[in-house]
Amino acid sequence: DQQVKQNSPSLSVQEGRISILNCDYTNSMFDYFLWYKKYPAEGPTFLISISSIKDKNEDGRFTVFLNKSAKHLSLHIVPSQPGDSAVYFCAARARYGGATNKLIFGTGTLLAVQP
Amino acid sequence: DAGVTQSPTHLIKTRGQQVTLRCSPKSGHDTVSWYQQALGQGPQFIFQYYEEEERQRGNFPDRFSGHQFPNYSSELNVNALLLGDSALYLCASSLGAGAYEQYFGPGTRLTVT
Repeated sequence: DQQVKQNSPSLSVQEGRISILNCDYTNSMFDYFLWYKKYPAEGPTFLISISSIKDKNEDGRFTVFLNKSAKHLSLHIVPSQPGDSAVYFCAARARYGGATNKLIFGTGTLLAVQP
Repeated sequence: DAGVTQSPTHLIKTRGQQVTLRCSPKSGHDTVSWYQQALGQGPQFIFQYYEEEERQRGNFPDRFSGHQFPNYSSELNVNALLLGDSALYLCASSLGAGAYEQYFGPGTRLTVT
């Protein structure tokens, strides 16, 4: 049961252009969504998050958009830089009774930014 | 500011053996979650420890167990290793069991032969 889906395994963009990474989810009870970037041989690095009550959150070159009716979110990177080349994971927070929670991850999208 | 650290970096074990992986959370964090990342997949939640107790568990068999120490560091134990246990094991820490932002360590690459 894949509750968080990233349907594009890879994406290639030119340096300076916009990168758009997409993510779909099925569980309407998710209350936070996060994007992580992962380089080879490193753990995922937190990039940006968005609450389910918002539709946009911006941090420098990174903007995340949330469309709750479509159960879809996207990460925009503008302008893209070669150092942005990495695997990007979309994750959603599933909250359980009390204070515990877990993150449910998509399968990732490999972004390649060409110089 | 020390981030999340994990040891060892790499490990090779034989089927049927047992393994222990270790994690020290980011300074100031008190909650540790463990994830398994198989090749080509996203991380999958194993369990979360807070106040030295397992608080939430993912869909993993009892062969996977853990422990959290008073200094908030944690261990993941896997018994009776199977070939399918070969994966990158990630530890993530957060401040409070309910915090949505989790910070990951570099992982331990486990290979079972």
